[in-house]
Amino acid sequence: EPEVTQTPSHQVTQMGQEVILRCVPISNHLYFYWYRQILGQKVEFLVSFYNNEISEKSEIFDDQFSVERPDGSNFTLKIRSTKLEDSAMYFCASTQGGSPLHFGNGTRLTVT
Amino acid sequence: AQKITQTQPGMFVQEKEAVTLDCTYDTSDPSYGLFWYKQPSSGEMIFLIYQGSYDQQNATEGRYSLNFQKARKSANLVISASQLGDSAMYFCAMVLTSNQFYFGTGTSLTVIP
Repeated sequence: EPEVTQTPSHQVTQMGQEVILRCVPISNHLYFYWYRQILGQKVEFLVSFYNNEISEKSEIFDDQFSVERPDGSNFTLKIRSTKLEDSAMYFCASTQGGSPLHFGNGTRLTVT
Repeated sequence: AQKITQTQPGMFVQEKEAVTLDCTYDTSDPSYGLFWYKQPSSGEMIFLIYQGSYDQQNATEGRYSLNFQKARKSANLVISASQLGDSAMYFCAMVLTSNQFYFGTGTSLTVIP
């Protein structure tokens, strides 16, 4: 069964550094999402992406964050100048539309 | 405003018993979908079950069933014959026609041997 893949599974970075989290959504899916989850807490929406542009973003998704779909298969989340509070699990997800969200296994980001 | 509410932060159930995890939702959209996801301690989000707002029958998937009460705006998950492997965090979610998803705060289920 096709799945959403995320790399890396773990990322440790120093405060102030930039990180890029990578995702390959399921190939025939049209809608792409990034969520984050601070350990043991709720799943927080960051951004949704459709037709090569952001369709919606949360107040968390400020100028520090950006997304790209550079080549028709990868979907990346860039975090500029990371802060300690950016430490979380970041999930990529995709859907065809009107169907369940398929999640990747997540990237655990630790900012030191 | 669209909202999903899970009022049970933690639940315990005896192995082999059934358990109901509560979820209520709030939307003015006539068409929407409701989901449940399981998140074990390993962290991945596993899709369990889906109910469309126009579906006449409650969804079932193996030991999982969704008790959909549209008038009450509730979409409770029922797990029958609980197993130790069911111990996990469970999230209720809603999708609207905009393909925007909303998640509840989750319920932590512990199955007791």
